[in-house]
Parts: sequence; structure tokens; C-alpha cells
Amino acid sequence: EDKVVQSPLSLVVHEGDTVTLNCSYEVTNFRSLLWYKQEKKAPTFLFMLTSSGIEKKSGRLSSILDKKELFSILNITATQTGDSAIYLCAAPGSSNTGKLIFGQGTTLQVKP
Amino acid sequence: NAGVTQTPKFRILKIGQSMTLQCTQDMNHNYMYWYRQDPGMGLKLIYYSVGAGITDKGEVPNGYNVSRSTTEDFPLRLELAAPSQTSVYFCASEPVRGYEQYFGPGTRLTVT
Repeated sequence: EDKVVQSPLSLVVHEGDTVTLNCSYEVTNFRSLLWYKQEKKAPTFLFMLTSSGIEKKSGRLSSILDKKELFSILNITATQTGDSAIYLCAAPGSSNTGKLIFGQGTTLQVKP
Repeated sequence: NAGVTQTPKFRILKIGQSMTLQCTQDMNHNYMYWYRQDPGMGLKLIYYSVGAGITDKGEVPNGYNVSRSTTEDFPLRLELAAPSQTSVYFCASEPVRGYEQYFGPGTRLTVT
């Protein structure tokens, strides 16, 4: 059965800290891994990773995929209170219909 | 484009009542999905559709039904509401094999 597991489940840091969020996966016929940020409402797309070892960056956020060890990390440097959110990791399931298997999410709280 | 829209935003149901959650997308996406998100949990797939007239069960389909008579609309029906269906429901759509799903704003449902 396809599975995506995130850790930690929750994290509290202070502004300016750097955080690393983890996502491991077990997906047959793996194709890609996606990261989303969810604040009060719907998830918004951050990154899609398909190739091992290639870092994707967007401002203070970056992510990398390790297809050998079956995990991805999301790094946030110089955190701000606006980074407080749930971060979701997902991978398309092996059924090839495009449906995503989501992890439980990591709840990040950034304190001033 | 309005993207993915959902109605209603909030709803309180009594046990045993029925309702339909509406979802519409104007991006001509073939793939559409219904997820539920319980507090502190990731997203769980309820039903999905790969095109008009084609639907299939996800991970947690019990107590729900869907239909897809047009490309744009993908309503989710709850026939006999139960407290276990208290959750936030998200609809999403995706271009063919794009893997980046676009989410609606969500419907917060409480069953008492």
C-alpha cells in the first residue's frame, strides 16, 4: 500500500530560526513528490520534485528529493511568523490516475 | 478564471440529514477529487473522477456518493449524515497527468 509519512508532526520555533521538515514515502512506480503549504484554507502548491539531488528554491524555502533513500526535505531559513502553517507532502499513487497520497502534515508555529 | 469553487463554506447538519457539497472548476480539467481533512490530520481521498461520467472510490468512500455529469461539476452527496463526517471537505482539480492539483477553498461541515 502506498504511504507518505511526515515528521515531525508539529514544531515550534522563533523568528529567524531555520527549520527542516521531513517526508518519507513508499510508492510503487514513484513519479514525483509535491509540497504544499496550508494556512487557514486550502493547500497552496510549493514545489514538485521529480529528480533526485536537484534542489528547488523559492525565496527562503527550498526542497530536495533523495530517490535512493525515499525521502524529501523542506527547508525554511530565517523563518517569519507568516511561515506558520501546516506543510503537506504528497505523492501520486501507484494507480496512475493522478490521485495524490498525502502525509499527515507538519504544523509549524513561528513565534515572534 | 475563478479556478475551483465550492459551496457552501460552512454547514451544520443534524444526524441523519442529507446534503450535497458543490464543486465547480472552470479550467477544463479532466481530473477532479474530493478530500476530507480531520483536525491534525492530512488529506484523505474520498472519491475521484478522471472525466465526465467516470468516478471511482478513494480511501474513505463510505457514507458518500458522487456524480460527474459534466467536466465542470463534481458534487459530493452525504445521504445520512453521521458525527464521524464532521470534517473540512476540499475539492481539487488537475489537468491531465499534471500532478499539481488546484484546491477549492473548502467546506467546513459539522454533524451534531
